[in-house]
Amino acid sequence: QKEVEQDPGPLSVPEGAIVSLNCTYSNSAFQYFMWYRQYSRKGPELLMYTYSSGNKEDGRFTAQVDKSSKYISLFIRDSQPSDSATYLCAMEGGGSNYKLTFGKGTLLTVNP
Amino acid sequence: NAGVTQTPKFQVLKTGQSMTLQCAQDMNHNSMYWYRQDPGMGLRLIYYSASEGTTDKGEVPNGYNVSRLNKREFSLRLESAAPSQTSVYFCASSSDPGPYEQYFGPGTRLTVT
Repeated sequence: QKEVEQDPGPLSVPEGAIVSLNCTYSNSAFQYFMWYRQYSRKGPELLMYTYSSGNKEDGRFTAQVDKSSKYISLFIRDSQPSDSATYLCAMEGGGSNYKLTFGKGTLLTVNP
Repeated sequence: NAGVTQTPKFQVLKTGQSMTLQCAQDMNHNSMYWYRQDPGMGLRLIYYSASEGTTDKGEVPNGYNVSRLNKREFSLRLESAAPSQTSVYFCASSSDPGPYEQYFGPGTRLTVT
């Protein structure tokens, strides 16, 4: 089993839809959980990070972490065509020497 | 504040040629990283440097060398390029102590023919 699993999609939704992106993981030592957005032919950019379990909201984006289920989610409300990108989850913790473990990314397209 | 910069943006090499990819950050971060990204493979860590003067192998170090020139700069060298090294290369940096979120450069698209 890979340490981090992420459905690669692709996911296609109409503008205004609520989008749910998810990752599961196997390493219970992970403490920090991050979401990156990567536009085509660009570098990944950090969207949000959370520590341990709980929710974090930033505008239209909400990150959720459920450590008991080893499951993290990113919700996008009122999705816009500009949200079309690949979304990668990443995790850190447990003496990894500052290394992040990335999911492979989910390709999202928001259609106008 | 430019963040993480990489040069060059694009490069075409012939098999056996060598080249160095340059990376610099202006965020005063201690840790720096080199990744390659290939379709269906995600981001794979090549080398990282937890602090100035130290480097460690990542998941796919074969065929690469790195130098942490100072706190700002971290270079990646391909001594004898192979077609399997055709990829997009990203440099990243992160602060410490945690949460160690990484900030990425714009990438270098390398083609080896």
